[in-house]
Amino acid sequence: GAVVSQHPSRVICKSGTSVKIECRSLDFQATTMFWYRQFPKQSLMLMATSNEGSKATYEQGVEKDKFLINHASLTLSTLTVTSAHPEDSSFYICSASVTDANYGYTFGSGTRLTVV
Amino acid sequence: QQQVKQSPQSLIVQKGGISIINCAYENTAFDYFPWYQQFPGKGPALLIAIRPDVSEKKEGRFTISFNKSAKQFSLHIMDSQPGDSATYFCAATANQAGTALIFGKGTTLSVSS
Repeated sequence: GAVVSQHPSRVICKSGTSVKIECRSLDFQATTMFWYRQFPKQSLMLMATSNEGSKATYEQGVEKDKFLINHASLTLSTLTVTSAHPEDSSFYICSASVTDANYGYTFGSGTRLTVV
Repeated sequence: QQQVKQSPQSLIVQKGGISIINCAYENTAFDYFPWYQQFPGKGPALLIAIRPDVSEKKEGRFTISFNKSAKQFSLHIMDSQPGDSATYFCAATANQAGTALIFGKGTTLSVSS
């Protein structure tokens, strides 16, 4: 249980275009979802926290106009990278907190974005 | 972000040996400490987690040791296998709904056969 499905797994886009990444909670309601960014051989860096029906809270240094996050339902959160540039190339991972007895966090499988 | 310091950065262990990875945290409000395993190109997967009301938790070959007074916790992998070769991240968070995990920098483990 508590599975987060993330799509696409890989995407290549041209510089200046926008890319949307989706994360769906398959068997639970994700009130809160988190978006992380991971560069090669580095750790996961929190980009933003999104709560269903509310505006996302962005970490310091993350451009909210470039990384648009929508969490319109309890099962879907999206990250749109707008006007992508090569420096936006990275591994993006979503996560959801699971409010059960184990109080855990589940992660999507990640999206490898390459901007050419 | 509050820091979680992880060491070593990389680790080479012989098959059958014990792998030990350490983490230290600063925020005394943290009360959930998970360890994640990540393979290249994949999202992190939860290995084992502990809360500060216990000093040790064991699941199969994986054990977390927790020292609340020192604000440190560690992962022990017993009988390490080549399939354990991956990157391991410790993390921590406070027990509040909607609070994100803060990750350590990661440890790349290589288990030689």
